Parts: sequence; C-alpha cells; structure tokens
Amino acid sequence: GENVEQHPSTLSVQEGDSAVIKCTYSDSASNYFPWYKQELGKGPQLIIDIRSNVGEKKDQRIAVTLNKTAKHFSLHITETQPEDSAVYFCAASRGVGYKLSFGAGTTVTVRA
Amino acid sequence: AAGVIQSPRHLIKEKRETATLKCYPIPRHDTVYWYQQGPGQDPQFLISFYEKMQSDKGSIPDRFSAQQFSDYHSELNMSSLELGDSALYFCASSLLQPASSYNSPLHFGNGTRLTVT
Repeated sequence: GENVEQHPSTLSVQEGDSAVIKCTYSDSASNYFPWYKQELGKGPQLIIDIRSNVGEKKDQRIAVTLNKTAKHFSLHITETQPEDSAVYFCAASRGVGYKLSFGAGTTVTVRA
Repeated sequence: AAGVIQSPRHLIKEKRETATLKCYPIPRHDTVYWYQQGPGQDPQFLISFYEKMQSDKGSIPDRFSAQQFSDYHSELNMSSLELGDSALYFCASSLLQPASSYNSPLHFGNGTRLTVT
C-alpha cells in the first residue's frame, strides 16, 4: 500500500514569514496529492491539491509543488497569519475521489 | 454549500457496549469513506462504499461493520467496544465516476468523538 511521510512534525514561524512542509510517497501509481488543514474539533478541510501532470499550483498565499520523479511534494505558505495555525496533512491517492493515504501531520504555529 | 453531516458529534459508551455512527454525504456524492483518528495521529482508513457496495477495506476491526443505504447515507456499527476504540471517527464523501474528469475530492465531516469508558 501507499506510505506517505511528512516533515517536519511541528513548525513555528513568525507572522509574515513563510512555512514549508514536505512529503514523500512510495506508490508510483499515486497521481493525486491534496493538502488538508485541520483545526481543533473539526474535520480535515481541503486547501489545495495537485495532480501528477502538473508541477506547481498556486492559490493566493498557498502553493504546492510536485516532483513525480523523486516522489515528493511540498506545501508553501507565504506571509503567514495567526489563522494559519493548525495541523496540516498531506495525502496521496491514485486519483481524485479515491481513498487517501495521509502523512503524519505538521502542527504549524504562527507567532504574532 | 452543503457539507458532510455526521451524528452524533459526541458519544460516550462503556466497554463492551455498541455504538452506531451516522454519515450523510454531500448531495449527489456516491462514495463514502470512514476514517479513525487517534489523538495526535493522522486519519486511518477503515472502509469505503461506492454506490452502496463495499469498495475497499482498511484497518477495520472485525467488531466493526458498516453499510451504505439507498439514500447514500452510511452507518458505522461498532460492537464490543474497547478502551482503544476511543477516537475521532470521520466520514468523507466524494463523487467517483471511473474514467471521469468530474470526480470530486474527498470532503470530510466534522467527525464523531467516541469515548469508551
């Protein structure tokens, strides 16, 4: 099965700075890579995703990059704000709508 | 926009009791996934249903069962509860049409927090 590794497990950044989270996956058949944000007491919320035929995708302050050859993908958050504080999960699957395998999560804290 | 609805939000049971968790997917979604999340852990896949048929099975104990009904809602039945079953249980739904470009990503509900005492 798919194995997704995520680093770092915790990340503390100053407000306004950037945050980067990195993930690797093992299954070559995976071709869809979403990122979820989870706040306390809530379910994971999809914030951005990327498919294997794309190398980079950006949505305002959030960007994701994918290196399919190396089997790794990253989340970049620029100009961080206190409301970005949450747990972020990367995930991989063999397509949009299919079962997800999650990374272990990164707890991001944005210091005011 | 309508989201995935889970009930109840909180459930407290004693060891060896049974519990039933319910999930109402986003309208028109045909696929339901159940995940278990322990404290400080990532969601672990339990089981999924596509068009009312079990489509995949993960690390679901034999004491648990689930089904998807004709209106696409799903129920997770848990029997002989153990202390270790205490966790957040999430349901996610998606639209999954094979070889389609209209599939939707998984959308999660806010979960049921099960506490077994």
